Amino acid sequence: DTAVSQTPKYLVTQMGNDKSIKCEQNLGHDTMYWYKQDSKKFLKIMFSYNNKELIINETVPNRFSPKSPDKAHLNLHINSLELGDSAVYFCASSFFDRENEQFFGPGTRLTVL
Amino acid sequence: GQQLNQSPQSMFIQEGEDVSMNCTSSSIFNTWLWYKQDPGEGPVLLIALYKAGELTSNGRLTAQFGITRKDSFLNISASIPSDVGIYFCAGQPGGSQGNLIFGKGTKLSVKP
Repeated sequence: DTAVSQTPKYLVTQMGNDKSIKCEQNLGHDTMYWYKQDSKKFLKIMFSYNNKELIINETVPNRFSPKSPDKAHLNLHINSLELGDSAVYFCASSFFDRENEQFFGPGTRLTVL
Repeated sequence: GQQLNQSPQSMFIQEGEDVSMNCTSSSIFNTWLWYKQDPGEGPVLLIALYKAGELTSNGRLTAQFGITRKDSFLNISASIPSDVGIYFCAGQPGGSQGNLIFGKGTKLSVKP
């Protein structure tokens, strides 16, 4: 199936741990994004990558670091997890010249205890 | 930062009724989009609007890009139970690559 996929679907971890969330798209898109959705369902962009270059970085803590091994993957690594990091994280992708039409993955629900 | 005001926050309607929701901004947007999010899933793009005044339909859904470029509405006609979910408006301010600003969503519940 052509889609944006994320792993894991659920992630429960202790405060202070380091974790990664993986994202892959097989839509042939050249731009990928990470969003955070809080408990009130508010969606906010965190990062986007195009051709392995970071083109948006919305003042997120530097504990969050996106890593893109190729244009089909954009992983999110989080160091020293905090309680406030608990949220649903969505990966999305698009073509660079149609950046408005973003396709979202199913989300990763991160719970920090 | 820029914000979108989306209303209503939630709606409870009877199957078959029409639904209307809207989004406003204090600044001009070049693009307006409407997404739907089902429980446990990511948002799915419903309609994209690129020109002021544009009116676009997608099945029972109709959306318009306000002529002031500061607002948009989404109408759903003859609602059915599978319309339940959270509807988000999103806009792209001018000159911001991929930087979509999302509204806070309208949660729609449809009673059969």
